Amino acid sequence: SQKIEQNSEALNIQEGKTATLTCNYTNYSPAYLQWYRQDPGRGPVFLLLIRENEKEKRKERLKVTFDTTLKQSLFHITASQPADSATYLCAPSGGSYIPTFGRGTSLIVHP
Amino acid sequence: DAGITQSPRHKVTETGTPVTLRCHQTENHRYMYWYRQDPGHGLRLIHYSYGVKDTDKGEVSDGYSVSRSKTEDFLLTLESATSSQTSVYFCAISESGHQETQYFGPGTRLLVL
Repeated sequence: SQKIEQNSEALNIQEGKTATLTCNYTNYSPAYLQWYRQDPGRGPVFLLLIRENEKEKRKERLKVTFDTTLKQSLFHITASQPADSATYLCAPSGGSYIPTFGRGTSLIVHP
Repeated sequence: DAGITQSPRHKVTETGTPVTLRCHQTENHRYMYWYRQDPGHGLRLIHYSYGVKDTDKGEVSDGYSVSRSKTEDFLLTLESATSSQTSVYFCAISESGHQETQYFGPGTRLLVL
């Protein structure tokens, strides 16, 4: 069955540093990979989508990579700020695969 | 929240009672989804719809049914609520398919006593 793994432990970093979150998937080959942000008590909010033929995608301070050989996506936030503190979810998708989300990684940025 | 509302936002009910949650969208998106989110499990898909009267099961559909009689409304029904259905329920929409960006509603907190 499809499986998505994200670090379950919270990632604590200092303001200004780069945060890197990992998403690994097994037993399927999604054509897309999406990243979402979720704040406590709220629904997830879409951040970025990367396609299988794109190695890297950027949006402002965010960067996503997609390695279909390793079956892994990395999500980077550069110059992190306390306001970036949230849970980040990855969601491989595409084709006939029904939407499946990882459990998310909590990011805590300390001032 | 991209024109998505959920009602009610909070509900407390007793085991064995029927419960219906409503998702309403103003975006005219074709796909609509119901998820539940629980600690340690993340978001899990319950049911989804790919058009009016067209629905299919997700990962955790047992004990739930859905209906979609209009493009804008997607209803989730717990025929006989159980304590294991205590959760936060999110509705989401996407324009034309699973690969598209999903936009989520604010969620409904359901407590089954």
